[in-house]
Amino acid sequence: GAVVSQHPSWVICKSGTSVKIECRSLDFQATTMFWYRQFPKQSLMLMATSNEGSKATYEQGVEKDKFLINHASLTLSTLTVTSAHPEDSSFYICSARDAAAGRDDEAFFGQGTRLTVV
Amino acid sequence: AQSVTQPDIHITVSEGASLELRCNYSYGATPYLFWYVQSPGQGLQLLLKYFSGDTLVQGIKGFEAEFKRSQSSFNLRKPSVHWSDAAEYFCAVGGGAQFYFGTGTSLTVIP
Repeated sequence: GAVVSQHPSWVICKSGTSVKIECRSLDFQATTMFWYRQFPKQSLMLMATSNEGSKATYEQGVEKDKFLINHASLTLSTLTVTSAHPEDSSFYICSARDAAAGRDDEAFFGQGTRLTVV
Repeated sequence: AQSVTQPDIHITVSEGASLELRCNYSYGATPYLFWYVQSPGQGLQLLLKYFSGDTLVQGIKGFEAEFKRSQSSFNLRKPSVHWSDAAEYFCAVGGGAQFYFGTGTSLTVIP
């Protein structure tokens, strides 16, 4: 099956610094990638939809200046948490859709990134 | 409005017992339905999906789910649970623009 790789798996950063998380589709081209945030013991909350070559679409309440998303190629999307604060600590998960081979509606998930801001 | 409800926040079963996790959805169009499993600190793994056709779908790890349109349900079942099945299970509906996830059901398996 299709594989989505997310890096890093975990990161600790100081308050005020920026952190970049990468999401790569390893064996397929992903025209659309999704970024989710998951709080402990809760479900996934969609933050934004990332389309290759265009601006991301953010969900209501998500600060686009704080969570910068770049989808510069068909296999890579990045999420940068700028000026991170402790309340940004969370589990971030990306997913990607394979638009080829009739699998347009199935999304493949990365393994997630645990961000801790101290 | 689109939504997914997983009524059971936490379920405990004995190893070897049968399991059913409930999922109800609200979706304006013909739904694409999914069940995912998440181990602690890990991403989501697809267990099974329903797009169309046979309403009883088979997935990995011995799981199956049945789509019942009249009840707007997509319950997940396994006839005999193994200790390694302990995890968080998410039901999702969607496709197209985005997925809508339920709040998850945490499964504990006791020996």
